Amino acid sequence: DVKVTQSSRYLVKRTGEKVFLECVQDMDHENMFWYRQDPGLGLRLIYFSYDVKMKEKGDIPEGYSVSREKKERFSLILESASTNQTSMYLCASSTLHTGDRKNYNINQPQHFGDGTRLSIL
Amino acid sequence: SQQGEEDPQALSIQEGENATMNCSYKTSINNLQWYRQNSGRGLVHLILIRSNEREKHSGRLRVTLDTSKKSSSLLITASRAADTASYFCATGTGFQKLVFGTGTRLLVSP
Repeated sequence: DVKVTQSSRYLVKRTGEKVFLECVQDMDHENMFWYRQDPGLGLRLIYFSYDVKMKEKGDIPEGYSVSREKKERFSLILESASTNQTSMYLCASSTLHTGDRKNYNINQPQHFGDGTRLSIL
Repeated sequence: SQQGEEDPQALSIQEGENATMNCSYKTSINNLQWYRQNSGRGLVHLILIRSNEREKHSGRLRVTLDTSKKSSSLLITASRAADTASYFCATGTGFQKLVFGTGTRLLVSP
């Protein structure tokens, strides 16, 4: 069965700290995504990556950075945590393949981790 | 940027009834997907409908897509208490990204 694992379910950090959120997938997926979810705002894309060492900004990248050194792992970094970054963070992955071929134009289903509820005090 | 908007925001029904949720979007899509989220958990993919399809079924789920109206609906037939969750539509416009709506909270009472 497919699995996306986020390192922590709950995390409490202080303002100004550097925070690392880790995500690992075991499906050999090319694409990985970081979202934040806030009440009334739905899911908003922070960053995504379609290959090792590749990254693309999403809709709300400010205050965040990402790292993808290995295919299975995608890290979200809060450079200097602030209270407005208190949120639920969700990681997801998806394949680039349609059958045996890579297809960059088809949005395949995404597989999500259970989320990290991050509180910044 | 929010692409999909679900309607209603919340829905409360009894077990055995059908639940219908709607999604409207703004731009051309290559597919539309529906996801479910149980409280405090991640999203789970339910069904994908391509832009050239009009209707798709999966078990008790029925999804329709009207590209001329830029809208989709998700019907859950014979609802169960275990269907209580939030449901999100997500539109695919190319290059791997999905844009999610704000969701419909469904409560199914025994």
